[in-house]
Amino acid sequence: GAGVSQSPSNKVTEKGKDVELRCDPISGHTALYWYRQSLGQGLEFLIYFQGNSAPDKSGLPSDRFSAERTGGSVSTLTIQRTQQEDSAVYLCASSPRAALTQFFGPGTRLTVL
Amino acid sequence: KNEVEQSPQNLTAQEGEFITINCSYSVGISALHWLQQHPGGGIVSLFMLSSGKKKHGRLIATINIQEKHSSLHITASHPRDSAVYICAVSGGGGADGLTFGKGTHLIIQP
Repeated sequence: GAGVSQSPSNKVTEKGKDVELRCDPISGHTALYWYRQSLGQGLEFLIYFQGNSAPDKSGLPSDRFSAERTGGSVSTLTIQRTQQEDSAVYLCASSPRAALTQFFGPGTRLTVL
Repeated sequence: KNEVEQSPQNLTAQEGEFITINCSYSVGISALHWLQQHPGGGIVSLFMLSSGKKKHGRLIATINIQEKHSSLHITASHPRDSAVYICAVSGGGGADGLTFGKGTHLIIQP
């Protein structure tokens, strides 16, 4: 399809392991966003990319979280040394450029045991 | 940081009723978004607005910039409208990522 895709759809990991979550935005969309949705905190902004650069990383909760985007397309969110409080649904969204309607992917449900 | 408040948190209504969900925010913004999330489903953008009013089918969204307030209305509500409706803002403090309200859980009973 032509929507935002994310993989994996579900990820179960053990505390202390590293995980990588992938986002494929809609083709041609230059703006890409990562959010997470957890029961306790609701929806939270993590990081925003314009092209390959990340002008706003203000939402990353700790230095265990990092993200990159290559070729102005696919983005990877990496969580190092996962903790149980990292359990959440991680959502990716894209838009044709900044400040336009965002299109959300289905999310990756991360469970840290 | 922008604070986004929604009310009510939960709303149960009968099919056909007129529904209003309210959203207020604390800091000036570039745009306000209304999003819909069905149980177990993804998030869909319903509206993005920075002034005035927008209408799509039975849904109407309004915003008052001076009062920092927006409303989402659903006319002739239907059980398929049952979902969580989320208000979010962008541009407050110069950031483009969305700041979200806690959502309104709407149930429309047949």
